[in-house]
Amino acid sequence: EAGVVQSPRYKIIEKKQPVAFWCNPISGHNTLYWYRQNLGQGPELLIRYENEEAVDDSQLPKDRFSAERLKGVDSTLKIQPAELGDSAVYLCASSNKGGSDTEAFFGQGTRLTVV
Amino acid sequence: QKEVEQDPGPLSVPEGAIVSLNCTYSNSAFQYFMWYRQYSRKGPELLMYTYSSGNKEDGRFTAQVDKSSKYISLFIRDSQPSDSATYLCAMRGNTGGFKTIFGAGTRLFVKA
Repeated sequence: EAGVVQSPRYKIIEKKQPVAFWCNPISGHNTLYWYRQNLGQGPELLIRYENEEAVDDSQLPKDRFSAERLKGVDSTLKIQPAELGDSAVYLCASSNKGGSDTEAFFGQGTRLTVV
Repeated sequence: QKEVEQDPGPLSVPEGAIVSLNCTYSNSAFQYFMWYRQYSRKGPELLMYTYSSGNKEDGRFTAQVDKSSKYISLFIRDSQPSDSATYLCAMRGNTGGFKTIFGAGTRLFVKA
């Protein structure tokens, strides 16, 4: 079974530029999560989807961050414009427990560096 | 004060040692307690999860939850160099959208 696939693995951009991350969850997983992991910290939830619906986006900085999950499968997370403080690893995860991330599977992440 | 506190380490042990990793928390509503392992430049991988209090064993790994003390532990027996990684505790309640809170992770080095 293929795991959660994220791309790109690494991205370096200048501040104020836009950037987008892509995630393909495990087949059949209805729940998809985007997390941000700062250096030396645990992941922090940005947004959670149940199928196409964003059911928890309370931690998403909506002035510059946006996300979509068309057709309830793949998802894209966008930052526009990027700031220096956005440098982090962006992790996508998925689960099939109907909203429970107790058994969420993570992708390898996209490491973003904003210079 | 953070909801979940975890000593970042690093923790260095010789091969074969018993490793004890711990987290404390402040939110008494937490019901599910998880341990993830994260290798360098990889995503977290779920090792074990426990519901409410008690112990759970899986091979060389044992998870313990003491809700009265708001304290959870992960024990690794016969540690191997391949166990060298960052171990993240995580926990969530049974309601409120199942938001999981992660600890900062403890870096473990097992020396051959």
